[in-house]
Amino acid sequence: GQNIDQPTEMTATEGAIVQINCTYQTSGFNGLFWYQQHAGEAPTFLSYNVLDGLEEKGRFSSFLSRSKGYSYLLLKELQMKDSASYLCAVSNGANNLFFGTGTRLTVIP
Amino acid sequence: ETGVTQTPRHLVMGMTNKKSLKCEQHLGHNAMYWYKQSAKKPLELMFVYSLEERVENNSVPSRFSPECPNSSHLFLHLHTLQPEDSALYLCASSLRTSGRADTQYFGPGTRLTVL
Repeated sequence: GQNIDQPTEMTATEGAIVQINCTYQTSGFNGLFWYQQHAGEAPTFLSYNVLDGLEEKGRFSSFLSRSKGYSYLLLKELQMKDSASYLCAVSNGANNLFFGTGTRLTVIP
Repeated sequence: ETGVTQTPRHLVMGMTNKKSLKCEQHLGHNAMYWYKQSAKKPLELMFVYSLEERVENNSVPSRFSPECPNSSHLFLHLHTLQPEDSALYLCASSLRTSGRADTQYFGPGTRLTVL
């Protein structure tokens, strides 16, 4: 079976740094994705990790530890527009994605 | 704009109605997906088509019937739905490549309400 856990909600201040964690237990692993979803909109791709370590892309970074079944998404220099849900998803060997429930991030002034 | 469009964006239907959701991708992808997104639940994979052939059906009730006439179009035919089927239905597409997981690109979804 597949089990993916992430916090339901987080709040952070504009300009700050926030880390959104994701833990997973899956049968088969072919990479981990992070998506951003604004209310009423499509999820949009943020990052993909398949090897251990940190991938940096502008203000967003994503980290993976396969041995620990753990990933995090790091958002720096938070902006109000970063208020959204962040979805962690794991790809199994068959290339299908299994999603967590998402973390709703609220950025406050 | 992700290159994946869905129509209609909103749909209200009675339990005895028949309706269809449409998805179109303009990305040259060869795999398409239907997901269901309910409040406080993870996205649930419903159907996967790769090269127009259905390869995954996650025990979805038969009142949902997918159709993939070509690699750019995907439909979800709905009939005799239940109120608990009310949700956001998302379509996605990807380019199947060997070696790494596909990145899926999502449409904006159809918000379905079953009365």
